[in-house]
Amino acid sequence: GQNIDQPTEMTATEGAIVQINCTYQTSGFNGLFWYQQHAGEAPTFLSYNVLDGLEEKGRFSSFLSRSKGYSYLLLKELQMKDSASYLCAGTQTGANNLFFGTGTRLTVIP
Amino acid sequence: GAVVSQHPSRVICKSGTSVKIECRSLDFQATTMFWYRQFPKQSLMLMATSNEGSKATYEQGVEKDKFLINHASLTLSTLTVTSAHPEDSSFYICSASRLAGGPNEQFFGPGTRLTVL
Repeated sequence: GQNIDQPTEMTATEGAIVQINCTYQTSGFNGLFWYQQHAGEAPTFLSYNVLDGLEEKGRFSSFLSRSKGYSYLLLKELQMKDSASYLCAGTQTGANNLFFGTGTRLTVIP
Repeated sequence: GAVVSQHPSRVICKSGTSVKIECRSLDFQATTMFWYRQFPKQSLMLMATSNEGSKATYEQGVEKDKFLINHASLTLSTLTVTSAHPEDSSFYICSASRLAGGPNEQFFGPGTRLTVL
């Protein structure tokens, strides 16, 4: 089965750092995606982790621990435009469909 | 590269009519396309997976006779919502992947907002 959990809402201040957590229980787990989605728009790719550890990409970093079934997305130097939903999605070995969490709606305040 | 388009972006229709949504991969061949539905403030729910030239695989609870999917070419998949009702009003998003089999990145279309009156 597939079960992916994220907090539904978070609020953070402009210029700060925020960490969005995602825990998963996925049979045959292969890797984990993070997507950003602004209201009424399609998701856009942020990161894909297969191996344990932290991957940094500009202001955004993503971490994966396969043994703990845990991932997080770290956003630094928050900007107002970062207000969006952040979707965690798992993949299975041998399959190419994604299993999405509920998404975390992040609100950045001045 | 890896651009996916959807048409139309918005559609309003009367209850009982059918609506066709197109999903195209513009600069790559998509052997697999996915159709998702998203209700307000909820995440994406996979409806079906379609592979070029074969029948779509529907997720549990999705009526295959109501949501007809055709993936006739490597760049085009269509979703037809037949006899639409107000509860079918939602944001429909397609995505495409470049390789058949194995996990890989999906490229999402901009979505189609369907409103059934």
